[in-house]
Amino acid sequence: ETGVTQTPRHLVMGMTNKKSLKCEQHLGHNAMYWYKQSAKKPLELMFVYNFKEQTENNSVPSRFSPECPNSSHLFLHLHTLQPEDSALYLCASSQGGGGPNTEAFFGQGTRLTVV
Amino acid sequence: KQEVTQIPAALSVPEGENLVLNCSFTDSAIYNLQWFRQDPGKGLTSLLLIQSSQREQTSGRLNASLDKSSGRSTLYIAASQPGDSATYLCAVAAGTYKYIFGTGTRLKVLA
Repeated sequence: ETGVTQTPRHLVMGMTNKKSLKCEQHLGHNAMYWYKQSAKKPLELMFVYNFKEQTENNSVPSRFSPECPNSSHLFLHLHTLQPEDSALYLCASSQGGGGPNTEAFFGQGTRLTVV
Repeated sequence: KQEVTQIPAALSVPEGENLVLNCSFTDSAIYNLQWFRQDPGKGLTSLLLIQSSQREQTSGRLNASLDKSSGRSTLYIAASQPGDSATYLCAVAAGTYKYIFGTGTRLKVLA
């Protein structure tokens, strides 16, 4: 148990559906992240929030819409996805974002399949 | 642009062997380096964090070293066990909120 919880663990959705991924951290961290992990590729950073403010949007298509209502919760709203969006979506958190002691903690991920 | 490479991509060893996983990065301006373990279909578990000013960190049978000037880190696993089978990822903290990951080394320890 890393202190970062993601739901659901698995999700199958059609290309016309709208769904949301949820992430919650119980570590008191101020920064939260969404990463995408596709087969044979390094983890790709999608979004970063620091104290609820978005600090990074890594050229992610608008069919992915993040929401951070507070420092403990992060959502990823999905709509009109494509089959190539099928991947493992990982949430992470950290206390701060740039010091030598900054350690990232990850959730178990949501395995998304778009059909 | 920071790039992280891990060699080998896959490794299969008999139980009990000591082994070394390699991670290299192109820009030495990093805050720290983390090693993670990932089991199939699961999230990442942090194993070790080495601050940029440190040379190594140890946790149980794991020892990670960092040579920032040459852009290299190694993860040493002593007396490997079948339960060590997983993918091992390294990531560098390359800037504020920027963790850059390698593609990982898939390890299989045979009983």
